[in-house]
Amino acid sequence: AQTVTQSQPEMSVQEAETVTLSCTYDTSESNYYLFWYKQPPSRQMILVIRQEAYKQQNATENRFSVNFQKAAKSFSLKISDSQLGDTAMYFCAFMRGVSGTYKYIFGTGTRLKVLA
Amino acid sequence: EAGVTQFPSHSVIEKGQTVTLRCDPISGHDNLYWYRRVMGKEIKFLLHFVKESKQDESGMPNNRFLAERTGGTYSTLKVQPAELEDSGVYFCASSRFRGYEQYFGPGTRLTVT
Repeated sequence: AQTVTQSQPEMSVQEAETVTLSCTYDTSESNYYLFWYKQPPSRQMILVIRQEAYKQQNATENRFSVNFQKAAKSFSLKISDSQLGDTAMYFCAFMRGVSGTYKYIFGTGTRLKVLA
Repeated sequence: EAGVTQFPSHSVIEKGQTVTLRCDPISGHDNLYWYRRVMGKEIKFLLHFVKESKQDESGMPNNRFLAERTGGTYSTLKVQPAELEDSGVYFCASSRFRGYEQYFGPGTRLTVT
């Protein structure tokens, strides 16, 4: 069974600084997808970034980028130039890339606080 | 485009009572998912609908939980009778195609006392 581990329950970063959130996963699949979702306080989860396992190039979305290490089964999220609006709960998620449910398997989340 | 909506946002019930949660997916999204997050733990999959059919209900905890999706539109999740361990936040998500990103609703916080 697949598992996702986020080892940092809470983190903080100064505004304008860079922070990296870690995520590791365990799977025997070769075809899968990885996601980072963000849930701001009292708001719904939104997708931050998505990575296809078959792609070697790391995904980037503006200030957000990932470091995808397939052999190490690691998928960390880097937030550059942190902003107060980045304060949120961040969830790492895994999805199998085969036909069927395509359900997410989530980690326990990392609560990030951006300090002014 | 309206997002995924869930009702109610918060429900407090006593052990043994019944509660029904509702989810309205994004229009045109055939895939609808239910997830649950118990305090401090990971978000766990409950089940997946494709239109009105249950594709996967392997995450449903027990037979006290009943999910339906009438006509392939909105979905309800009924808990009957509720137990203390059912407390948590229930999320609904939808996607147009399987394998693509899922769009989440704001969640329903269920508290069973």
